[in-house]
Amino acid sequence: DAGVIQSPRHEVTEMGQEVTLRCKPISGHDYLFWYRQTMMRGLELLIYFNNNVPIDDSGMPEDRFSAKMPNASFSTLKIQPSEPRDSAVYFCASSKDTGTSGVVETQYFGPGTRLLVL
Amino acid sequence: KNQVEQSPQSLIILEGKNCTLQCNYTVSPFSNLRWYKQDTGRGPVSLTIMTFSENTKSNGRYTATLDADTKQSSLHITASQLSDSASYICVVSAFEGGSYIPTFGRGTSLIVHP
Repeated sequence: DAGVIQSPRHEVTEMGQEVTLRCKPISGHDYLFWYRQTMMRGLELLIYFNNNVPIDDSGMPEDRFSAKMPNASFSTLKIQPSEPRDSAVYFCASSKDTGTSGVVETQYFGPGTRLLVL
Repeated sequence: KNQVEQSPQSLIILEGKNCTLQCNYTVSPFSNLRWYKQDTGRGPVSLTIMTFSENTKSNGRYTATLDADTKQSSLHITASQLSDSASYICVVSAFEGGSYIPTFGRGTSLIVHP
């Protein structure tokens, strides 16, 4: 398996533009997570899906952020409009379901998308 | 408020030496604790996952311990190698209201010198 695939790997955009980040999870995984990492705040969970359904989006910073998972093999994270403070590395991760509530299996992270908003 | 504190913030050791990284947490209700290794410019890679009933878990030269009473975990690296240079992140998860809620430490930056 190729692992979690993210695109683009790097994105430079101007403030106010729409940004769409893409993720293809590992085939057969039930969970998909979107994270953001900055020097100041470290890793933060933004939202996660189970079987394509958003379970918890309390980490999404504001209404400018939205995420979708139209099918088991694809998810997007969209920022509209983008702001300089959104500059960060955005990771997508996926994992299997353990079958035990509250315990997820090992999460496999993608390589990340480095976003710079000017 | 759920918190995860890691120490030291950074560490420099010589190749071949052992080291121990610490993670203290105040997360409730506790579900599991994970250690991740993150190389520069890459995504985190899981090293260990421990639930409440597990005291220790090994992954090669990495050994994690968990003391659920004192809410402390450690990651011990044996016979360090240059490739161990990375950031090590402790993540403690709660499970509440049907949601998985992770709390992330800020990480320990380890540099292994030849």
